[in-house]
Amino acid sequence: LAKTTQPISMDSYEGQEVNITCSHNNIATNDYITWYQQFPSQGPRFIIQGYKTKVTNEVASLFIPADRKSSTLSLPRVSLSDTAVYYCLVGLMNRDDKIIFGKGTRLHILP
Amino acid sequence: EPEVTQTPSHQVTQMGQEVILRCVPISNHLYFYWYRQILGQKVEFLVSFYNNEISEKSEIFDDQFSVERPDGSNFTLKIRSTKLEDSAMYFCASGTGLSYGYTFGSGTRLTVV
Repeated sequence: LAKTTQPISMDSYEGQEVNITCSHNNIATNDYITWYQQFPSQGPRFIIQGYKTKVTNEVASLFIPADRKSSTLSLPRVSLSDTAVYYCLVGLMNRDDKIIFGKGTRLHILP
Repeated sequence: EPEVTQTPSHQVTQMGQEVILRCVPISNHLYFYWYRQILGQKVEFLVSFYNNEISEKSEIFDDQFSVERPDGSNFTLKIRSTKLEDSAMYFCASGTGLSYGYTFGSGTRLTVV
């Protein structure tokens, strides 16, 4: 898996849009970018995955520039319940690959 | 939405005792995993399991650990002789192998005293 760098922590306020950027300079041609979310005392939860440009689902959007050396997870109009740790993962992601988690970004939403 | 179910949610055990952590993966999933997370630290991979055998294990998964799929629904992690440093949240996960992203359970908090 490619090495990733993301902020250790971020604070934001309810109703704001939150963007978490992940750097992955050594991303390989076949690598995908995947984000997981972990609430306190719960297991990680898959949020979104993309290869290039933009992916959107009901939870978040993922923006990937043309060089793919970084990506941005965008959470629209966050609420207190979005307080969690967010993990950026980059790799080939074969169907049975283990996931190696880094420290992630601890997002704290304030009222 | 299908869930991975883990029991018990909390377990306290004395050092040296054996514990078995149980997981019921999503029914049509074929790939199974155990992870652990020591308080305040990263989620760490322990072992992956497919086709009734271990496909990969980490350095953490030493001879004190074993996994089993005793029937068609359960997936267990056994720690033979627990140590204080085994205290952690243990997460089970399962996947279909058809698309990336697997589902984690809510975890078992193991406390060794």
